[in-house]
Amino acid sequence: QSALTQPASVSGSPGQSITISCTGTSSDVGSYNLVSWYQQHPGKAPKLMIYEVSKRPSGVSNRFSGSKSGNTASLTISGLQAEDEADYYCCSYAGSSTFWVFGGGTKLTVL
Amino acid sequence: EVQLVESGGGLVQPGRSLRLSCAASGFTFDDYAMHWVRQAPGKGLEWVSGISWNSGSIGYADSVKGRFTISRDNAKNSLYLQMNSLRAEDTALYYCAKDMGAVAKGNFDYWGQGTLVTVSS
Repeated sequence: QSALTQPASVSGSPGQSITISCTGTSSDVGSYNLVSWYQQHPGKAPKLMIYEVSKRPSGVSNRFSGSKSGNTASLTISGLQAEDEADYYCCSYAGSSTFWVFGGGTKLTVL
Repeated sequence: EVQLVESGGGLVQPGRSLRLSCAASGFTFDDYAMHWVRQAPGKGLEWVSGISWNSGSIGYADSVKGRFTISRDNAKNSLYLQMNSLRAEDTALYYCAKDMGAVAKGNFDYWGQGTLVTVSS
């Protein structure tokens, strides 16, 4: 059982927007602005899409955005494209004993 | 171009040891914290261990604490993971990942392709 809870799957049509939630607790997501999101295509290494809740690394499309409210972080992808179909993982700092925890992952299907 | 190349994986019997290595290039290695993240077959990501730029700060997941040891050699641009008392549940693809900061913030901006560790008799 993962420390952070994500929906197992989400889907959307090309051009639409989708949001993936990542629910933690007051000990991780709720306490630190150190939430990151990763995209992983089958057989490939993960790719950083969002860091520190809402910052986008250089080279990542501005169709990807992140936010946080309380113990829940969210990743929004607007203008869905076929190449966005992948697994998405959230990650949060959880203090100096647990360090970092990942969500169980969400499979995004572009219909 | 940033490159992280893991090596050292393989098939090992339960209770035995294995040492993973990660060779880094394309960036100033001793400016950044580094991590190991693993992924069991068909499963999600799990953070395993992290080390700050000067090895002054080190952390482990509870699942490996006391069995795994992370280290780095900045002169050789290399990261290591010594894995002892291996268990079947340690079977996974082990990724080396670079942090965006000297002190770990968990922003893993570059990843290797991983090295597979299989623990089985």
